[in-house]
Amino acid sequence: GAVVSQHPSRVICKSGTSVKIECRSLDFQATTMFWYRQFPKQSLMLMATSNEGSKATYEQGVEKDKFLINHASLTLSTLTVTSAHPEDSSFYICSANHRGLDEQFFGPGTRLTVL
Amino acid sequence: AQSVTQPDIHITVSEGASLELRCNYSYGATPYLFWYVQSPGQGLQLLLKYFSGDTLVQGIKGFEAEFKRSQSSFNLRKPSVHWSDAAEYFCAVGALVIYNQGGKLIFGQGTELSVKP
Repeated sequence: GAVVSQHPSRVICKSGTSVKIECRSLDFQATTMFWYRQFPKQSLMLMATSNEGSKATYEQGVEKDKFLINHASLTLSTLTVTSAHPEDSSFYICSANHRGLDEQFFGPGTRLTVL
Repeated sequence: AQSVTQPDIHITVSEGASLELRCNYSYGATPYLFWYVQSPGQGLQLLLKYFSGDTLVQGIKGFEAEFKRSQSSFNLRKPSVHWSDAAEYFCAVGALVIYNQGGKLIFGQGTELSVKP
């Protein structure tokens, strides 16, 4: 149980385009989802926390207009990278938990490459 | 400030040798501690977690970790390393979901483990 999926696993796009990444909890209701960014050989940096039905809380330094997060249902959160640029190329990982479960369940990640 | 430090960026051990990965934390509240493993290009898999109780925690794949409050440490150990253990290991600290933090985790920098045949 407690499986989180991400789609797509890998995406390549042109500079200036927008890219949407989906994060789904497959067998539980995710009251909270988290979005992380990971550069090569580096740790996970939390970008934002989203609770179902409310606006995401962004970490300091993360542009909310650039990284749009929607958590419209208890099983789906989306991260849209708007007007992507090469410096946005990274590995994006989502995680989810459910109120009462003190563990985050991580998705497999999405590799974004912006040309 | 809340932080997690993994002092060793890269460790190489021989297959069959013992392993210890270090983790030190700074956290204002009661810490909830985790160790995750990440294979290249993959997400994170939970190895073990500590919330309370016995300070020696057993995890999957033969790993264990010991919580030492006095040293603010949560070191990961394995008595005999297998070649398949080669991966990146992350220590993380967080708060209980119910305590307002929403389960937010703070990760260490990671330790890359290489295993020699």
